[in-house]
Amino acid sequence: AQSVAQPEDQVNVAEGNPLTVKCTYSVSGNPYLFWYVQYPNRGLQFLLKYITGDNLVKGSYGFEAEFNKSQTSFHLKKPSALVSDSALYFCAVRAPYGNNRLAFGKGNQVVVIP
Amino acid sequence: EPEVTQTPSHQVTQMGQEVILRCVPISNHLYFYWYRQILGQKVEFLVSFYNNEISEKSEIFDDQFSVERPDGSNFTLKIRSTKLEDSAMYFCASRPRTSGGGSSYNEQFFGPGTRLTVL
Repeated sequence: AQSVAQPEDQVNVAEGNPLTVKCTYSVSGNPYLFWYVQYPNRGLQFLLKYITGDNLVKGSYGFEAEFNKSQTSFHLKKPSALVSDSALYFCAVRAPYGNNRLAFGKGNQVVVIP
Repeated sequence: EPEVTQTPSHQVTQMGQEVILRCVPISNHLYFYWYRQILGQKVEFLVSFYNNEISEKSEIFDDQFSVERPDGSNFTLKIRSTKLEDSAMYFCASRPRTSGGGSSYNEQFFGPGTRLTVL
């Protein structure tokens, strides 16, 4: 069964500094990987995904993520964090075959300090 | 931009009561899902639905749970006899089908959730 680990509960970063949110995964076969963000009282909003191809994928709001197969990681990054990036970030994985359920990590609270 | 909507935003019920959580997926989407998140825990998959039938369900989705698409727009989750441990945020999601294949690459679009509190 597929699973995701997001090792940190909260990530604090100063505004303007680089932001990294870590994610490692476990799945049989090539993974489909996703990042979602959740703002208060809102649903999970899709940020970006990796299916195949270039290991560096770019998404919404200036975010990007790098797929690393040897480290089974898919860390989310943003070169310069904004206060408005403060939110809950979820990494998710699904297997490329059979079922299409997403397996989520527990989420990381990102706090961008002005 | 089209969104998945869910009602109510918060539902409080007594243990043993039936609840129905409602979702309106994005109109041209064909795959539908329910997930839940117990406070402080991971988002967990419950069930997926396609072509008017369940395509997959998790071990959480026991006989107390059912889903229905009663008309062309709504997608509901029913819990027949709620338990304390059913208290959670319930998220509905939908996914489009891409003509010519490649549907499985599409991301799921999530609603804002219904917070269910069982007393």
